[in-house]
Amino acid sequence: AQSVTQLDSHVSVSEGTPVLLRCNYSSSYSPSLFWYVQHPNKGLQLLLKYTSAATLVKGINGFEAEFKKSETSFHLTKPSAHMSDAAEYFCVVSNTGFQKLVFGTGTRLLVSP
Amino acid sequence: ETGVTQTPRHLVMGMTNKKSLKCEQHLGHNAMYWYKQSAKKPLELMFVYSLEERVENNSVPSRFSPECPNSSHLFLHLHTLQPEDSALYLCASSQQSSGGYEQYFGPGTRLTVT
Repeated sequence: AQSVTQLDSHVSVSEGTPVLLRCNYSSSYSPSLFWYVQHPNKGLQLLLKYTSAATLVKGINGFEAEFKKSETSFHLTKPSAHMSDAAEYFCVVSNTGFQKLVFGTGTRLLVSP
Repeated sequence: ETGVTQTPRHLVMGMTNKKSLKCEQHLGHNAMYWYKQSAKKPLELMFVYSLEERVENNSVPSRFSPECPNSSHLFLHLHTLQPEDSALYLCASSQQSSGGYEQYFGPGTRLTVT
């Protein structure tokens, strides 16, 4: 079975400082990994995806994530936080067989002025 | 309309009511999904439709009944719900292919059962 663990339920940063949201995965196969963002009262928006191509993946809004097989990690980073980045972020791994996505429990990012 | 749309955005219903949630995708995808998002719980996959055929039903109570009349539309029929069914219901779609399985989500329907 595949799973993801998001190591922090909440992360607080100041505007203009770096963002690091941590995710570890467990998979018996070469996984596909995703980060989604959810703003209040909105659906989930795909930020970026890893599908066994380049290990450093660039996404929208300046976010990027690095796939590290040796550490089974897929941490999400951004060099400089913006107020509009405040949201809930989900790390997701795709399951085998059908296109089942397994979601982490989410990390709430708080950005202060 | 673009992407995945859901109606209504908000719904309040009594336990004896019957209502339906509607989802429409404008992306040309061939798979559609229903998820339930409750406070402080991980996103729960409810149903999966691939090429209009239900391929997964994650032990969802029979008071939830999905319908997929074509590849662009997905419904969730609700009857005799319980207060614990109050949640955000999200619809998603994807294109089955060999590379990448990203799903695209609608804005959700906020359901309150009174």
